[in-house]
Amino acid sequence: DQQVKQNSPSLSVQEGRISILNCDYTNSMFDYFLWYKKYPAEGPTFLISISSIKDKNEDGRFTVFLNKSAKHLSLHIVPSQPGDSAVYFCAAADSGGYQKVTFGIGTKLQVIP
Amino acid sequence: DVKVTQSSRYLVKRTGEKVFLECVQDMDHENMFWYRQDPGLGLRLIYFSYDVKMKEKGDIPEGYSVSREKKERFSLILESASTNQTSMYLCASSLLPGQGSYEQYFGPGTRLTVT
Repeated sequence: DQQVKQNSPSLSVQEGRISILNCDYTNSMFDYFLWYKKYPAEGPTFLISISSIKDKNEDGRFTVFLNKSAKHLSLHIVPSQPGDSAVYFCAAADSGGYQKVTFGIGTKLQVIP
Repeated sequence: DVKVTQSSRYLVKRTGEKVFLECVQDMDHENMFWYRQDPGLGLRLIYFSYDVKMKEKGDIPEGYSVSREKKERFSLILESASTNQTSMYLCASSLLPGQGSYEQYFGPGTRLTVT
């Protein structure tokens, strides 16, 4: 039973345009959300996070939006660059438990020059 | 700069062998984790540890054990390797809840092939 779902296995975007990666969750106890980026043959690296007390968090070209009522979050990358081509993992945590994080299966983003 | 290192990038073992994967972090983090990554399945938690000598099962602990004798080191053990344990293994560390975000720092991964 997947508690964090990334329904798009892949996404292609032209350089300079917006990339939107989506994530849905089912566990209402999740109150902290993260996005990680992973290049081939490397470990994931933290990108951006958001607490459930917020609905938006921005860091440079990256913005995460959280819609608690829909149990949905999205990552926007503007403008997209070829170096953004990677697998993006959505992750969620329940602050009431141990620091266990549940990951989605990932979305492979390709930014076309 | 924070660092998580894993003992091997690539490893080939035979079915039935005992396999040790080592992970070391230099950030004085309390939490350490072992995941495996498989195509179409994402990152799945095998075991985690929130203190020395403490361990908790993750989502897929069967066939694995762990050891944490020192704060900076977390070992994953495959008691008798099987072909379905061929995977990318990722170690991570993080602060305890209340000390910061849930951000985990990952090592580069070990690609294990069991033949």
